[in-house]
Amino acid sequence: EVQLVESGGGLVQPGGSLRLSCAVSGFTVSSNYMSWVRQAPGKGLEWVSVLYSGGGTLYADSVKGRFTFSRDNSKNTVSLQMSSLGTEDTAVYYCARRYANSPVTMDVWGKGTAVTVSP
Amino acid sequence: QSALTQPASVSGSPGQSITISCTGTSSDVGGSNYVSWYQQHPGKAPKLMIYDVSNRPSGVSNRFSGSKSGNTASLTISGLQAEDEADYYCNSYITNRGVIFGGGTKLTVL
Repeated sequence: EVQLVESGGGLVQPGGSLRLSCAVSGFTVSSNYMSWVRQAPGKGLEWVSVLYSGGGTLYADSVKGRFTFSRDNSKNTVSLQMSSLGTEDTAVYYCARRYANSPVTMDVWGKGTAVTVSP
Repeated sequence: QSALTQPASVSGSPGQSITISCTGTSSDVGGSNYVSWYQQHPGKAPKLMIYDVSNRPSGVSNRFSGSKSGNTASLTISGLQAEDEADYYCNSYITNRGVIFGGGTKLTVL
């Protein structure tokens, strides 16, 4: 069964760091494109980043230079290292698989992990 | 980049058809066939409903259809059912910039 399970969310102070993980089953992360999408409380979806199968990455302007998307092929997981967090980063973070040939198509989603940035 | 423009809310009665629009620019919606639509029920993860403007993933009801004209994409739901009540989001792509989502539309089934 194809499944994505996020973890690592929690409460962090402004300026702090947090590492989110996404455990994947049913397919291999090294052969697929993976994405992170977030949703602030009561707000819409916001794309965060993509990790290409070749290892390259692309980030939204709002997180560029602060977030790093990586993967661990041996554990079949992907991770999002977040630093210099601000209150605007408070959101539920979803891990998703992206179609290789369609940059906006995310066909499998995790249930999300909540990040709260607050003093 | 600014979000794609969607109506905040739409409504319809069971059995009716509704259409949700998604307006962008020639740099995103109008510039490619990369438009997807997602359904999100409260407290749940988004679900892919339409991709590449008008393609339905396996398992999605054929009551859902997508189209595009110029800088505006549309999602049509026919034979509205109570279970269709949810938030709907479109997205598109800006080359070398990434993915942009619409602000979302709340569908109410009356």
